[in-house]
Amino acid sequence: GESVGLHLPTLSVQEGDNSIINCAYSNSASDYFIWYKQESGKGPQFIIDIRSNMDKRQGQRVTVLLNKTVKHLSLQIAATQPGDSAVYFCAETPNSGYSTLTFGKGTMLLVSP
Amino acid sequence: DTGVSQNPRHKITKRGQNVTFRCDPISEHNRLYWYRQTLGQGPEFLTYFQNEAQLEKSRLLSDRFSAERPKGSFSTLEIQRTEQGDSAMYLCASSPRSGLGGNTIYFGEGSWLTVV
Repeated sequence: GESVGLHLPTLSVQEGDNSIINCAYSNSASDYFIWYKQESGKGPQFIIDIRSNMDKRQGQRVTVLLNKTVKHLSLQIAATQPGDSAVYFCAETPNSGYSTLTFGKGTMLLVSP
Repeated sequence: DTGVSQNPRHKITKRGQNVTFRCDPISEHNRLYWYRQTLGQGPEFLTYFQNEAQLEKSRLLSDRFSAERPKGSFSTLEIQRTEQGDSAMYLCASSPRSGLGGNTIYFGEGSWLTVV
């Protein structure tokens, strides 16, 4: 069936490095994509979103890239900090209406000092 | 605090008992969502309200689950005759109605349920 998934379950980086977290999606009807950060024992926290008519969007220290040709989404975190350690989820919603999100399984980012 | 508020944060119950979780969304958000998350997995959609109307329900929401949002503000999620498989974190989220960015779904901290 349609799904959103991640390539890497765990990513370990050194403080100050740039991190790239990847996500593949299979629903070509997906219109809107969101990255969430989830720390242990807490709810998902919105990071950044992007609509399917864009290929790049930048926030504070984060950039989301969307490649619709290969149905690939990535989250780039610049100058990664220990506080960035968490599980990162991509989520998608179809263009038929913004009612529900389909989440991938998540990637754990571990940042060493 | 203007975030999504959930309580209780933790609930341990015996199998067969009923439990109820409450969610207070961000003020003026007219959309409210319930998701369920188990360890190592992403959240799974359960149901969603627009104001007081329950517009969509996942097939994950068995007959033992019922959600209400009687006045279009807070919501409750009740699980009857709990089973061990119901053990999970139940997440509530809310969003305003329209516009990219304005459509962003904000999650609460979740309510952990352990059925023993």
